[in-house]
Amino acid sequence: GAVVSQHPSRVICKSGTSVKIECRSLDFQATTMFWYRQFPKQSLMLMATSNEGSKATYEQGVEKDKFLINHASLTLSTLTVTSAHPEDSSFYICRRAGRGKLAKNIQYFGAGTRLSVL
Amino acid sequence: GDSVTQMEGPVTLSEEAFLTINCTYTATGYPSLFWYVQYPGEGLQLLLKATKADDKGSNKGFEATYRKETTSFHLEKGSVQVSDSAVYFCALNHDNNNDMRFGAGTRLTVKP
Repeated sequence: GAVVSQHPSRVICKSGTSVKIECRSLDFQATTMFWYRQFPKQSLMLMATSNEGSKATYEQGVEKDKFLINHASLTLSTLTVTSAHPEDSSFYICRRAGRGKLAKNIQYFGAGTRLSVL
Repeated sequence: GDSVTQMEGPVTLSEEAFLTINCTYTATGYPSLFWYVQYPGEGLQLLLKATKADDKGSNKGFEATYRKETTSFHLEKGSVQVSDSAVYFCALNHDNNNDMRFGAGTRLTVKP
């Protein structure tokens, strides 16, 4: 079954509204979660790293005030797209690393959220 | 910095056809290489991986060999099925490093 649950899978919203995307770690407490976005026919681009108990680390060029990341608990990380505009329309996906020596380099992804801003 | 380039899609094949999806990379050192598959409505799932040169990763009939001399990790399958229709991502990272780099993804459609 799914190890990482991402919700919602699809959002259609009007320009100017804010959209919250949730990513839950189902099998253990994840102190770190990674957020990506993907434009059509392009690669997944790392946006930010969500850290439980501290501020998120954003990649260069990603607006911190636009994409608010909150790692509220050890099992939940949220990405809020504030005042969304059509150019924010994209596919957003979260990722969590495996744990322990045997799970080294195993990555778990959410199912992704397709955001369409009208 | 590190990067991954993979064959553009979409790729459309008939059932039982041979599949190749090309992937090349640019990286310092010796990264681990991966192929992930994403079925409709689902998250990325690890398909196979290779952690050092000349390693061959294999799973569900898919194979890929880590070729350091050509910096490639091409995905192959001898006979595709309709159920293989999905998007395939090539990726790399360095051990103990959370920074994964992905290719753009290749959409495969297999027709009966």
